[in-house]
Amino acid sequence: DVKVTQSSRYLVKRTGEKVFLECVQDMDHENMFWYRQDPGLGLRLIYFSYDVKMKEKGDIPEGYSVSREKKERFSLILESASTNQTSMYLCATEVRGQGDGYTFGSGTRLTVV
Amino acid sequence: AQKITQTQPGMFVQEKEAVTLDCTYDTSDQSYGLFWYKQPSSGEMIFLIYQGSYDEQNATEGRYSLNFQKARKSANLVISASQLGDSAMYFCAMRARDTGRRALTFGSGTRLQVQP
Repeated sequence: DVKVTQSSRYLVKRTGEKVFLECVQDMDHENMFWYRQDPGLGLRLIYFSYDVKMKEKGDIPEGYSVSREKKERFSLILESASTNQTSMYLCATEVRGQGDGYTFGSGTRLTVV
Repeated sequence: AQKITQTQPGMFVQEKEAVTLDCTYDTSDQSYGLFWYKQPSSGEMIFLIYQGSYDEQNATEGRYSLNFQKARKSANLVISASQLGDSAMYFCAMRARDTGRRALTFGSGTRLQVQP
């Protein structure tokens, strides 16, 4: 089974800090995604990547950037954290040939104070 | 652009009864896939069921079935014989299959509570 690991389950950061959320997959999958989840809004796409050093903006990229230096690692960066970025962040990788599904990490609940 | 609408923020069902979670979608794509995910309180997203837009039969996976009505653009999830462990958030999602963007678009979710 594909495993997607997010380095932190819970994070508390101060306003203005630079925050790194790490996501690592243990398979050789090209496609990786970052979502944020907020009550009543579901999951919204922040950024995605189809290959190393490749990135595409999703629906809500403002205030975020990403890095993909190695195929297995996709990092989400909050350049200057703000309180409105308090949310649950979910990383996913696409699993082809298995119902066209995705495997998600367990999520990082980020609180910005 | 794609849009998923889930109009039921919360649902209650008695244990052992069936429940239908509603999902409607909007897309201009001819070929697309529809997904349902379950998210328990622990937070992980669990894939439940998938329906392709050209699949003639409704998808089924154990106690889960997807009631796909293409003309109405609806993809409701039916859970038969509800169990206490079915209490969770449920998300409907879709992805176009012809365009390059392979990201899922999600609805706002339905919180299901199964009562003993």
